Amino acid sequence: GESVGLHLPTLSVQEGDNSIINCAYSNSASDYFIWYKQESGKGPQFIIDIRSNMDKRQGQRVTVLLNKTVKHLSLQIAATQPGDSAVYFCAENFSGGYNKLIFGAGTRLAVHP
Amino acid sequence: SQTIHQWPATLVQPVGSPLSLECTVEGTSNPNLYWYRQAAGRGLQLLFYSVGIGQISSEVPQNLSASRPQDRQFILSSKKLLLSDSGFYLCAWNPRDMNTEAFFGQGTRLTVV
Repeated sequence: GESVGLHLPTLSVQEGDNSIINCAYSNSASDYFIWYKQESGKGPQFIIDIRSNMDKRQGQRVTVLLNKTVKHLSLQIAATQPGDSAVYFCAENFSGGYNKLIFGAGTRLAVHP
Repeated sequence: SQTIHQWPATLVQPVGSPLSLECTVEGTSNPNLYWYRQAAGRGLQLLFYSVGIGQISSEVPQNLSASRPQDRQFILSSKKLLLSDSGFYLCAWNPRDMNTEAFFGQGTRLTVV
């Protein structure tokens, strides 16, 4: 479910390293998942999505992995850059419902030079 | 192309005063519309979503209400603001009957004093 009452955990990485951000989703019937990036004071921006008939999808420098058995989603960012510093949210959707996105708690990514 | 407009960007209101935040979407028809709230350093909480004019679903009990007087207009309101209503309010949309990502506005930072 939504963990909106929790302070965001922080992942600190060195510039150039790979980052892995994890997310546990709540609804085993969810069939569509999205990763968003939110910079300070702005609305979330779409990064990458994956449907439940896949377990891996790659974009530019990003890869999303889906493990439906344990209801786990991860975002891998290759060669992390200072511009990647932001809060990252996963979101889940169930197409059989009203197509409403439910967000995870979020993770703050801090990239150090 | 589709765009979403949300205003005002920032708002400072006294306790007990009314609230009206407006969101409009351009370039699409029959969108799903959403209001999210984000407390400082926390995740996104879904407040309301709407699948059509006059159709509002409330996700959490609260001091706020939402209305959709036109297909591409979504309004968040309160008759009397509480201190706990402070936060970052985000409007979002996605296409009806399509399992796709939601597109967010730039948000309204509301401070109740």
